[in-house]
Amino acid sequence: QSVLTQPPSVSGAPGQRVTISCTGSSSNIGAGYDVQWYQQLPGTAPKLLIYHNNNRPSGVPDRFSGSKSGTSASLAITGLQSEDEADYYCQSYDSSLSGWVFGGGTKLTVL
Amino acid sequence: QVQLQQSGPGLVKPSQTLSLTCAISGDSVSSNSVAWNWIRQSPSRGLEWLGRTYYRSKWYNDYAVSVKSRITINPDTSKNQFSLQLNSVTPEDTAVYYCARMGGVWYFDLWGRGTLVTVSS
Repeated sequence: QSVLTQPPSVSGAPGQRVTISCTGSSSNIGAGYDVQWYQQLPGTAPKLLIYHNNNRPSGVPDRFSGSKSGTSASLAITGLQSEDEADYYCQSYDSSLSGWVFGGGTKLTVL
Repeated sequence: QVQLQQSGPGLVKPSQTLSLTCAISGDSVSSNSVAWNWIRQSPSRGLEWLGRTYYRSKWYNDYAVSVKSRITINPDTSKNQFSLQLNSVTPEDTAVYYCARMGGVWYFDLWGRGTLVTVSS
């Protein structure tokens, strides 16, 4: 049972827009701690996709965007492409655990 | 270009100690602006942060509550690397272990390739 809750799977057709939610609590996202998003392609390490809620590292396409409100955050992907098929994880800090926590991951399928 | 190169055994017997090393190129383990972490991933536990070491005029460590009694993360400045030791392992510790850099305020911007460690007799 992960501290941050994500849907197990989402899907969309090429060119469409999908969103992935990440629900936390008052000890992590709701406490004001930033949310990060990672993309994990099969057989590889996670890669930072969004940091500090809505910032993209250099090289990440602007098709990826993040938002945060209250105890939740969301990752939006527009103009879906086949190479976006991957697992996506949210991450934040939890003050009750005094450590960094991840969501359970969401598998994105491009139909 | 910063890279993290992991090394260590892929098989550990129950009750023994899991030991992994992460060699850093293109950055310094003694940098006062980053932290060096170990994170593991398993089907049952998902992604789990284990701990970190960092230098801010002196060395500090933080460990996850779940492994605090069994874990040690040490920097090695002579080799520019850091290590993970996890004692008294059980099959529940079977996972892919990643080293990762915390390059900003609390996000992991660089990851090693991962090492699958199986705990089995």
